[in-house]
Amino acid sequence: AQSVTQLDSHVSVSEGTPVLLRCNYSSSYSPSLFWYVQHPNKGLQLLLKYTSAATLVKGINGFEAEFKKSETSFHLTKPSAHMSDAAEYFCVVIVNDYKLSFGAGTTVTVRA
Amino acid sequence: NAGVTQTPKFRILKIGQSMTLQCTQDMNHNYMYWYRQDPGMGLKLIYYSVGAGITDKGEVPNGYNVSRSTTEDFPLRLELAAPSQTSVYFCASSLRTRSYNEQFFGPGTRLTVL
Repeated sequence: AQSVTQLDSHVSVSEGTPVLLRCNYSSSYSPSLFWYVQHPNKGLQLLLKYTSAATLVKGINGFEAEFKKSETSFHLTKPSAHMSDAAEYFCVVIVNDYKLSFGAGTTVTVRA
Repeated sequence: NAGVTQTPKFRILKIGQSMTLQCTQDMNHNYMYWYRQDPGMGLKLIYYSVGAGITDKGEVPNGYNVSRSTTEDFPLRLELAAPSQTSVYFCASSLRTRSYNEQFFGPGTRLTVL
């Protein structure tokens, strides 16, 4: 079955420093993977998606993620954190036409 | 376009009460979904619909019911509220295409059952 595991429940960074959010996946075939962001008291917004094209995927707000099949990973990065990046981030895999499997989430705190 | 809208934003229920969470989308999406989000657990699918008149159970359907009489609306019904249903509920919609169909989420309904 398709699933994802987010390795960090909470990440704290200083403004202007890099952000790394780690996600490993489990899949019996080539997966479709996504990162969603949820700002406080808001719905989820798609950051980026991987659907077996380029392994380095660029998303909105300066985020990018790299699909590494050998490591079964899809880590999310941003070179320089901004205060507005404080949010919860979910790694997600498509299970079938209607079902997504969500990771438990990583809460990002940005220190001034 | 308003996207996906949900009402109410917040609600407190007593055990045994019932209520309906409303969800409307104006993007003409055929797929709609209800999720619940519990702390540290990600989102779990409650029910989904692939079109008007068609609904099916997700991972955690017990204690909930849905209907889909129009393309736009997908209400979620709680008949006998229980403390275990305290959660944040998200409605989402997507357009079924051959490639991945991004799900668009509403802002959520925060429900407390006491």
